Amino acid sequence: DAGVTQSPTHLIKTRGQHVTLRCSPISGHKSVSWYQQVLGQGPQFIFQYYEKEERGRGNFPDRFSARQFPNYSSELNVNALLLGDSALYLCASSLAGVTNQPQHFGDGTRLSIL
Amino acid sequence: QQQVKQSPQSLIVQKGGISIINCAYENTAFDYFPWYQQFPGKGPALLIAIRPDVSEKKEGRFTISFNKSAKQFSLHIMDSQPGDSATYFCAAPTFGGSQGNLIFGKGTKLSVKP
Repeated sequence: DAGVTQSPTHLIKTRGQHVTLRCSPISGHKSVSWYQQVLGQGPQFIFQYYEKEERGRGNFPDRFSARQFPNYSSELNVNALLLGDSALYLCASSLAGVTNQPQHFGDGTRLSIL
Repeated sequence: QQQVKQSPQSLIVQKGGISIINCAYENTAFDYFPWYQQFPGKGPALLIAIRPDVSEKKEGRFTISFNKSAKQFSLHIMDSQPGDSATYFCAAPTFGGSQGNLIFGKGTKLSVKP
């Protein structure tokens, strides 16, 4: 079975632009979470969605938004890009999005802001 | 503030030696503690996880030890191999608000010398 898939793998944008990142969870997984990983740091939680509803939001500005579709895939949108948004954006899926179920990560989208 | 403190930041071990990475958690939930392994250019891969009803869990060469009273848990890699060279992250679930999401340590870069 396929793991978590993310697209695109790499993206270069300039300041002020908008970006959309996509994620397909493992088949059967209904929860998707998004994380930002800055070079040399651990992933930092951005959003969690379960059954198309937002379950949680990390400490990120309103420029970040996300949604989940009926097939459980998800999009992360970032508006008005800043240099500091350059990072690896990771998507993780789990069966039901509760604390004691393992999250499985994709290989991420590397976003570079010029 | 919810946080996970991980040490050491980097670790060099000879082939066949034991690698030990430590984590301490503060103000997080305590029902699930995973360890992730990340290779350059890849997303974090779930390595092993423990629930606090046991003090130790072993899978092959990897062992997690958990000390609930001290709020600490550690990863031991026995008979370390060059292929184990990667960055390791410990994590703990968030407490309150969003369920099913993780707070990560800052990572330990392990180098196993042949």
